[in-house]
Amino acid sequence: LAKTTQPISMDSYEGQEVNITCSHNNIATNDYITWYQQFPSQGPRFIIQGYKTKVTNEVASLFIPADRKSSTLSLPRVSLSDTAVYYCLVGEAAAGNKLTFGGGTRVLVKP
Amino acid sequence: EPEVTQTPSHQVTQMGQEVILRCVPISNHLYFYWYRQILGQKVEFLVSFYNNEISEKSEIFDDQFSVERPDGSNFTLKIRSTKLEDSAMYFCASRSGTNYGYTFGSGTRLTVV
Repeated sequence: LAKTTQPISMDSYEGQEVNITCSHNNIATNDYITWYQQFPSQGPRFIIQGYKTKVTNEVASLFIPADRKSSTLSLPRVSLSDTAVYYCLVGEAAAGNKLTFGGGTRVLVKP
Repeated sequence: EPEVTQTPSHQVTQMGQEVILRCVPISNHLYFYWYRQILGQKVEFLVSFYNNEISEKSEIFDDQFSVERPDGSNFTLKIRSTKLEDSAMYFCASRSGTNYGYTFGSGTRLTVV
């Protein structure tokens, strides 16, 4: 299982773009990169998943360089409600596979 | 948007008592999971369930734990004799066979006193 490293915490202000970089140097060929968001006392929520290059949805963008040893989650124009813990997970996308969570990045959005 | 529903949201129980945590996964999902999160710690995998049997379990999931899908809609986690260290948020999750993302419930906060 590829180990991931991400910053423990980040502060931002409303309206700014937040970029969280995750390192996964030993990512395997079959591994996908997935990001989850967790609010206090709630379950994690799937944000985005990618394999290479760039993926964008209505919530975020995920940038993955060619070597796939890192990835960056980009949250455009954050609001106070984006304050949460963001987890980067790396593993095979097979349906039965469990998720292995690290410590995540605690993002605090200030007014 | 379909949801995973967990009940109760809070449960307080005495040490040594049995508890059953209940989950209603999304109806067309095939894979079911229980995770837990001790306050201030990481989300930890407990067990996965597919085709009416456990497909994988962690070392946390010892003989005190069991899971069941009794009626095709509910998915339950039973802790036979609770310990103080079982106090945590317990999250149920489900996943379809085709969609990458897991859907988690809002959790049951279990407090063992």
